[in-house]
Amino acid sequence: KAGVTQTPRYLIKTRGQQVTLSCSPISGHRSVSWYQQTPGQGLQFLFEYFSETQRNKGNFPGRFSGRQFSNSRSEMNVSTLELGDSALYLCASSLTDSMNTEAFFGQGTRLTVV
Amino acid sequence: AQTVTQSQPEMSVQEAETVTLSCTYDTSESDYYLFWYKQPPSRQMILVIRQEAYKQQNATENRFSVNFQKAAKSFSLKISDSQLGDAAMYFCASSTGTASKLTFGTGTRLQVTL
Repeated sequence: KAGVTQTPRYLIKTRGQQVTLSCSPISGHRSVSWYQQTPGQGLQFLFEYFSETQRNKGNFPGRFSGRQFSNSRSEMNVSTLELGDSALYLCASSLTDSMNTEAFFGQGTRLTVV
Repeated sequence: AQTVTQSQPEMSVQEAETVTLSCTYDTSESDYYLFWYKQPPSRQMILVIRQEAYKQQNATENRFSVNFQKAAKSFSLKISDSQLGDAAMYFCASSTGTASKLTFGTGTRLQVTL
């Protein structure tokens, strides 16, 4: 069974641009969540989607948005990139949105904003 | 709001020895899960062990076990018979409500020496 796949693995963007990151969950998983990992702030929750609906959103500005498609694949978008958006973006999928379901993580997308 | 605190930025253990990583948390919820995740240099977060708050018995997974002290809001990870492959960042995390909305600690970098 394939794991969580995130594309691209690495990305370099210029300040002010926008970027879209993709996450393909494990087959059959309906819940997808996103996290930002930086040396300064650690791992921070961005948002969670279940059956194409955003269930939770972390404390991030409106420049960060996401969506989930009917096949459970998810994308997150960051507009008007800032240098501080440089981070490892991790996606996790789980079978359901229940608390007792294990979340499986992808290898992340390393975004560098220059 | 939940908080998770890991007070040990780095730990070192000799191969075959035992090491304990500390974690404290705070939550106002009565039902929650606690997790330890491992993040090797490959960056992929891997679930090591999890504990449901309602369960009195400490979780165990092979060489990994936890000491869950609910009243003290403490959740430490013990790694027995440490192996070189255990070297990684270890994150303590908590969740309430949904599986994929995790609150992470700042992590403990574990070194395993010969």
